[in-house]
Amino acid sequence: QKEVEQDPGPLSVPEGAIVSLNCTYSNSAFQYFMWYRQYSRKGPELLMYTYSSGNKEDGRFTAQVDKSSKYISLFIRDSQPSDSATYLCATWGAGNMLTFGGGTRLMVKP
Amino acid sequence: EPEVTQTPSHQVTQMGQEVILRCVPISNHLYFYWYRQILGQKVEFLVSFYNNEISEKSEIFDDQFSVERPDGSNFTLKIRSTKLEDSAMYFCASTPQRDSPLHFGNGTRLTVT
Repeated sequence: QKEVEQDPGPLSVPEGAIVSLNCTYSNSAFQYFMWYRQYSRKGPELLMYTYSSGNKEDGRFTAQVDKSSKYISLFIRDSQPSDSATYLCATWGAGNMLTFGGGTRLMVKP
Repeated sequence: EPEVTQTPSHQVTQMGQEVILRCVPISNHLYFYWYRQILGQKVEFLVSFYNNEISEKSEIFDDQFSVERPDGSNFTLKIRSTKLEDSAMYFCASTPQRDSPLHFGNGTRLTVT
């Protein structure tokens, strides 16, 4: 079983929509979770960082962790065309490495 | 805001040649990483480096790969004899402590012909 899994998309939404992006992870011992945004041919850019269960909000972005179901989510409110990118979830897995999901490609249409 | 810088942004090399990819991590960070992303695929861990030695490496990081921190600022990835399948984006990352988010550079696009 892969440590972190994401639906690859693409997910296409109209401008202004609420976007929900999701990941599942395999190991209940994982505690630190991150969301990165990656534009084409650029490095991953940190969006959100959460520890354990609960919600964290930053502007239009909300990260949610549900440890009971091993499920992490990123919500984007009032989505903009500039939000069009690939969104990567990540967690500190076994060992000294950050493990990424495969990414979900988001397209926000004007 | 401090950032991780990588050079060159694009490197083209012939199969069998050696390449060195260079990175300058954020200055007060202690943990350093290389990741790889083949076009259209996921970001994959290659190696982590702490206290002047490799702390972890993946199956991808075979004997053709090596890392070095030759001075207080640079962190390099060397591929001794490149193969076609080494063509990918290579990202350097750093963090001040374990379990903290990684800060990534914008990558070096390596093309092996």
